[in-house]
Amino acid sequence: GIQVEQSPPDLILQEGANSTLRCNFSDSVNNLQWFHQNPWGQLINLFYIPSGTKQNGRLSATTVATERYSLLYISSSQTTDSGVYFCAVEDWFKLSFGAGTTVTVRA
Amino acid sequence: SAVISQKPSRDICQRGTSLTIQCQVDSQVTMMFWYRQQPGQSLTLIATANQGSEATYESGFVIDKFPISRPNLTFSTLTVSNMSPEDSSIYLCSVSHEPFFGPGTRLTVL
Repeated sequence: GIQVEQSPPDLILQEGANSTLRCNFSDSVNNLQWFHQNPWGQLINLFYIPSGTKQNGRLSATTVATERYSLLYISSSQTTDSGVYFCAVEDWFKLSFGAGTTVTVRA
Repeated sequence: SAVISQKPSRDICQRGTSLTIQCQVDSQVTMMFWYRQQPGQSLTLIATANQGSEATYESGFVIDKFPISRPNLTFSTLTVSNMSPEDSSIYLCSVSHEPFFGPGTRLTVL
């Protein structure tokens, strides 16, 4: 199956800081998604991004499909950004997840 | 986007027993999926549940342990059978469009 690697595994930020999370994948994919899992376990889709760049408020994502990687940018981080960020690649509607990046934003 | 609900939201069960988790979607969907998230781990696909046919299981998951029903286009169940503490996980129902995942069922097996 497709291998998905995320880095870094853990990230501690001071409120207001910017950060970049990376996702590498081993093969061509139909699609790529970024999710945020909040402390209560709920998974929220952030971006559905097979290629190119998208922005949503303080978050943006870029996927370079030809080079098999995606980046998630968090700007001006807030404590509510804390949680686990997962990258998932889609192959015929089935998702393969990376191990996640645990982000802790300190006030 | 669709609304996905799961029951129960959490449960504590004794080893050797079985638990059936229900997933309800407020619109018709062709494909439904069941994922497992073990403590501190990422999500792993258990199976794809298609209406009118048997579920398709991923490597490492078998029907005897995780029987799945899909009686119609809005509903599915996952049963965790003959549970052991290693089955303690969050089980998530999923569809192929927003919001993608239900709220999950947090299962603890003692």
